[in-house]
Amino acid sequence: AQSVTQLGSHVSVSEGALVLLRCNYSSSVPPYLFWYVQYPNQGLQLLLKYTSAATLVKGINGFEAEFKKSETSFHLTKPSAHMSDAAEYFCAVSEVGGATNKLIFGTGTLLAVQP
Amino acid sequence: GAVVSQHPSRVICKSGTSVKIECRSLDFQATTMFWYRQFPKQSLMLMATSNEGSKATYEQGVEKDKFLINHASLTLSTLTVTSAHPEDSSFYICSARDLGLAGYNEQFFGPGTRLTVL
Repeated sequence: AQSVTQLGSHVSVSEGALVLLRCNYSSSVPPYLFWYVQYPNQGLQLLLKYTSAATLVKGINGFEAEFKKSETSFHLTKPSAHMSDAAEYFCAVSEVGGATNKLIFGTGTLLAVQP
Repeated sequence: GAVVSQHPSRVICKSGTSVKIECRSLDFQATTMFWYRQFPKQSLMLMATSNEGSKATYEQGVEKDKFLINHASLTLSTLTVTSAHPEDSSFYICSARDLGLAGYNEQFFGPGTRLTVL
C-alpha cells in the first residue's frame, strides 16, 4: 500500500528565508508524486509533479522538489519565502499505471511566513 | 486550462434535508472524478471515485446510500448528501482527471463546497 508522511504539521519561516517542507513516501511500485497548495477555504492547486522524468522538478511560484529514491523523499523547497506563500501544503502519491488512479495525501504542513 | 468548478460554494441546510453538490470540468473531459471530504485542519479523505456512465466506487466506511454520486457526462459529477445531519458538516472537494493526461494520474481540483447542517 502507498502512503505519504509529511514531517512537521506546522512550519514557520521568516520572509526571505529558505522554505523546506518534508515529504517521505512509501510505495511498492514507482510512484508519481505531487505537491499541492491550499489557501483557506479553497481547493487544491498543483505546485509541481514528479512523473519519472527529471528528478529535480520545478513548479510554480518558485517552488521545486527533488525526487530521491534512495531516501524515498520528495521534499519541497523555495529559496526565499514570500508572505503570499503562507498556506497549507499537501504531498500526495499515486501509483504509476494504477487502475484506480487514487491520490494518497499526507496530513499537510501549514506554512507560516513571518515578516 | 484544466479548470474544475463546484456549485454551490457554500450551503447551509436544516437537518434531515438533502443537498446536491455539482462538480464540472469546464475545459476538458473527465472520465473519472473524485470526491473528497476535509475536516478543519485535516487532510483530504477520499470518499469515492466516480466514473462516467458507471457506478461510483466508495471508500471503506463511506455510506453509499447517504452520499449518492452520479457521473452522467464527461464533464459533470454530482454528490448528494441525503438526510444531512450536523456531523455531515464539512468541506467537500471534487477533482477531475484529464482524459488527455491519462498517463500522469494528475487530478485537477475544484474550489470546494462548505456544507453546514443546522
